[in-house]
Amino acid sequence: AQSVTQLGSHVSVSEGALVLLRCNYSSSVPPYLFWYVQYPNQGLQLLLKYTTGATLVKGINGFEAEFKKSETSFHLTKPSAHMSDAAEYFCAVSEGGYQKVTFGIGTKLQVIP
Amino acid sequence: DTAVSQTPKYLVTQMGNDKSIKCEQNLGHDTMYWYKQDSKKFLKIMFSYNNKELIINETVPNRFSPKSPDKAHLNLHINSLELGDSAVYFCASSQQMGGGQYFGPGTRLTVT
Repeated sequence: AQSVTQLGSHVSVSEGALVLLRCNYSSSVPPYLFWYVQYPNQGLQLLLKYTTGATLVKGINGFEAEFKKSETSFHLTKPSAHMSDAAEYFCAVSEGGYQKVTFGIGTKLQVIP
Repeated sequence: DTAVSQTPKYLVTQMGNDKSIKCEQNLGHDTMYWYKQDSKKFLKIMFSYNNKELIINETVPNRFSPKSPDKAHLNLHINSLELGDSAVYFCASSQQMGGGQYFGPGTRLTVT
């Protein structure tokens, strides 16, 4: 069975600092991996996804994530945090095909001016 | 142009009532989903349809019944509402199962 662990339910960074949100997954087959962002009172928005191919994936709003099979990780990074990045971030995994997508518990990112 | 839309956005009702939430997507996707997000932001899949066929039916009380009249629509009917049903319900769609999903704005259901 697939699962996702997001380390840190709350992360605080200063404006301009590096953003690092951690995600580890478990999957019995090569996984599909996703990061989503949720702003207050809104639905989730897909930031980026990994299916196959290049392990460094670039997404919207300057975010990127690297698939590391040996570490079963898919951490999300952004070189310089903006105030507008403050939101809830969800990592998710799927085993493809007709399998469901499993979401992590979410990490709330706070950006301090 | 709204990609995935849900109505209503807010729904306040009393225990024991029956209510429906509607969802429509104009992305031409084959797969649609219903999720429940609780007060701690935990997101749990409820149902998934692919080309109007039920694919995923998680452990959900049978008071919840999804209906997909066509590929672009997936509605959720809830009978005999309970306090524990209070949550935000999200509809989503994707081009294919397991792909990146597009979410609607959510329906905040409050049962009193």
